[in-house]
Amino acid sequence: AQSVAQPEDQVNVAEGNPLTVKCTYSVSGNPYLFWYVQYPNRGLQFLLKYITGDNLVKGSYGFEAEFNKSQTSFHLKKPSALVSDSALYFCAVRDRRDDKIIFGKGTRLHILP
Amino acid sequence: DGGITQSPKYLFRKEGQNVTLSCEQNLNHDAMYWYRQDPGQGLRLIYYSQIVNDFQKGDIAEGYSVSREKKESFPLTVTSAQKNPTAFYLCASNTEGLSTEAFFGQGTRLTVV
Repeated sequence: AQSVAQPEDQVNVAEGNPLTVKCTYSVSGNPYLFWYVQYPNRGLQFLLKYITGDNLVKGSYGFEAEFNKSQTSFHLKKPSALVSDSALYFCAVRDRRDDKIIFGKGTRLHILP
Repeated sequence: DGGITQSPKYLFRKEGQNVTLSCEQNLNHDAMYWYRQDPGQGLRLIYYSQIVNDFQKGDIAEGYSVSREKKESFPLTVTSAQKNPTAFYLCASNTEGLSTEAFFGQGTRLTVV
């Protein structure tokens, strides 16, 4: 079965430091992987996706993600965190069998001033 | 502007009453989804539809019903059979194809008292 795991419920990072939010996946065939961000009482916003090609994917707001096939991971990264990056982050995978979108449980990112 | 609109933003209902949440999109997307979000549980799929007049149950469909009479609209009814309906409900849509990202509405917070 297709699945996504986000092992950390919460990540705390000091402003200006690099951040990483972890995601691992389990899929059959080639993965289609996504990151979304959610601010309080709002819908999700798309950040970036990996479909094929370069393992380092660049997205919105200075975020990037590194696809690692051997470790089945798709970690979200940013070189220098901002307080405004504080939000809930979701990793997702598309299910090739029925086109469903499967989400991880989310990781709450706190950027400390 | 193209987008996906959920209404209302906040909804209060008495226990035992059915309630319908609206979701409309003008993105010409074929697929639409309903998710339920509870703290610490991420997004759980309720129903999804890939084409007009067709829809499939997600992981937690019990106590919910949907219709897809028009491409633009995918209303969700929370029935009295849903044991714990108080939650944040998110609607999403995307074009056909595994590589496409989803667009989300701003959500409806339903409180049943």
